[in-house]
Amino acid sequence: AQSVSQHNHHVILSEAASLELGCNYSYGGTVNLFWYVQYPGQHLQLLLKYFSGDPLVKGIKGFEAEFIKSKFSFNLRKPSVQWSDTAEYFCAVNARDRDDKIIFGKGTRLHILP
Amino acid sequence: GAVVSQHPSWVICKSGTSVKIECRSLDFQATTMFWYRQFPKQSLMLMATSNEGSKATYEQGVEKDKFLINHASLTLSTLTVTSAHPEDSSFYICSVRRTSGINEQFFGPGTRLTVL
Repeated sequence: AQSVSQHNHHVILSEAASLELGCNYSYGGTVNLFWYVQYPGQHLQLLLKYFSGDPLVKGIKGFEAEFIKSKFSFNLRKPSVQWSDTAEYFCAVNARDRDDKIIFGKGTRLHILP
Repeated sequence: GAVVSQHPSWVICKSGTSVKIECRSLDFQATTMFWYRQFPKQSLMLMATSNEGSKATYEQGVEKDKFLINHASLTLSTLTVTSAHPEDSSFYICSVRRTSGINEQFFGPGTRLTVL
């Protein structure tokens, strides 16, 4: 079965710092990959997704992620974070050739200092 | 993105009672809906896949008799927590998948269940 590993449980950055959150998945077949964000007190929102094509995916609010198939990775990046980016970030994977299930990583809590 | 609603948003009940949570897809018909559980400061754990007109598919370790799922129409799925206990207190989130096209899911706002 597929699984997702997020390396950083809690990240604290100052405003304008650059961000990279690690995500690795385990599955030998074709995958769809997602990053979701959950702002305090709000529900999950899709930041970006990769299904096929250009492995560098651009999402909302200046976020991007790069799919590196050889490394089974889908790291999330943002060149300059803002205080409003404080939230929990979840990487998720779907095994495209198996079923509809989306499996989530344990999440990374990002705290931006003003 | 699509709009998904859940009702209620917050419920408190006594131990031993049953609680029903509704998930509605407001923008499109959803053959498949998913139910997740999120413990405080933890990730979402998939509980079951709800299929319209057929029995739900439960993940390993999830008791089907305790968490009853009914997907009676293409826009509504319900999760009933039967004989609730304090350890069932959690945040329950549903998601809906478009009937056709690529696998993109849209999440509801969640229901916070507190069992006293």
